[in-house]
Amino acid sequence: SQTIHQWPATLVQPVGSPLSLECTVEGTSNPNLYWYRQAAGRGLQLLFYSIGIDQISSEVPQNLSASRPQDRQFILSSKKLLLSDSGFYLCAWSQGSYGYTFGSGTRLTVV
Amino acid sequence: GENVEQHPSTLSVQEGDSAVIKCTYSDSASNYFPWYKQELGKRPQLIIDIRSNVGEKKDQRIAVTLNKTAKHFSLHITETQPEDSAVYFCAASIWTGANNLFFGTGTRLTVIP
Repeated sequence: SQTIHQWPATLVQPVGSPLSLECTVEGTSNPNLYWYRQAAGRGLQLLFYSIGIDQISSEVPQNLSASRPQDRQFILSSKKLLLSDSGFYLCAWSQGSYGYTFGSGTRLTVV
Repeated sequence: GENVEQHPSTLSVQEGDSAVIKCTYSDSASNYFPWYKQELGKRPQLIIDIRSNVGEKKDQRIAVTLNKTAKHFSLHITETQPEDSAVYFCAASIWTGANNLFFGTGTRLTVIP
């Protein structure tokens, strides 16, 4: 069966510091991968999606970037965090036109 | 991109009553409409979905209806139970090679015992 791993679970980082969140999927090949952000009490905003290795599309301009160095690995990064980057970051995968499975999320607090 | 609106933002019902959450979408090309349940501090989990070639789908106490002409879809929960309390998100999907989901802002459902 397929599983998705996301880490770390929580992170407190100072403004201006770098960020790296990692997501991996097991048990499937060539999944579609996604990064979403959920601000406190808000909905889920699509940040990036990827249909294959090194194929990344961004939905909104921002201080973040994403990379997919391997088929089942998706990384969210920032060179310098802003206060507004705080939120709950969720990785997800899907196959074809089926629904998503979300990772357990990373709660990022920028201080 | 797609714009999904969801109402109400909060909903309180007595245990055993029904709950209805409504969403509208803007892009007529959207063809897949899932609903997710998110408990506090946890990941959203898919509870039911519907495709644009179907008008209604039911799974035990949960049902979803879709009106493509009006571009709206609804979640119906019957015989609500305290464990149904959570935030519910609707979403609409446009196929771009990936199944990009655009989410509503969520409805916090509270079932009062």
